[in-house]
Amino acid sequence: DAGVIQSPRHEVTEMGQEVTLRCKPISGHDYLFWYRQTMMRGLELLIYFNNNVPIDDSGMPEDRFSAKMPNASFSTLKIQPSEPRDSAVYFCASSRTSGTRVDTQYFGPGTRLTVL
Amino acid sequence: QQQVKQSPQSLIVQKGGIPIINCAYENTAFDYFPWYQQFPGKGPALLIAIRPDVSEKKEGRFTISFNKSAKQFSLHIMDSQPGDSATYFCAAHASGGSYIPTFGRGTSLIVHP
Repeated sequence: DAGVIQSPRHEVTEMGQEVTLRCKPISGHDYLFWYRQTMMRGLELLIYFNNNVPIDDSGMPEDRFSAKMPNASFSTLKIQPSEPRDSAVYFCASSRTSGTRVDTQYFGPGTRLTVL
Repeated sequence: QQQVKQSPQSLIVQKGGIPIINCAYENTAFDYFPWYQQFPGKGPALLIAIRPDVSEKKEGRFTISFNKSAKQFSLHIMDSQPGDSATYFCAAHASGGSYIPTFGRGTSLIVHP
């Protein structure tokens, strides 16, 4: 299995520009998570989907952030307009549940975003 | 509100030492406790996990100790090696409910040769 795939791996943009991060989860996984990691705040859950439906977006910091999952194999996280304080590493993770049993989260390699 | 408190924030040991990382939780509904290991430039990856029906789990040099009554669990790394230098995250899940894993803040471990 290829694991969780994220693109781009690095993104440098200027303040005010739109940024789109992409994620392909592991095939067969029904949960998808977007996280943001910074030194100051650690690993923060932004939003998660179950069977392509957004379940909880309470971690999304502002209306400038939006996420979609049009199908089981693709998700995007968009920031518009971007600001320097959005600079962080963004991770996508996926997992699978079986009944009430919780399964492990598999993380992608992350996208390092720098907003100048 | 932080539901999983992890300590210490950073840890430095010599090769062969036994670093111990501790986590404490509040939500009694948590029933799955994984530890993730993250190397620089990589995403976190599952290292070892435990369920509350056992008090200890070992996988190679890594051991989780679990104290249900105290709501605490810890990671021990036996005979630590420089290659173990990474950031370690504890997490806690609840099988029922909203299924949102809660992560600790992470511990940066450096193992000197």
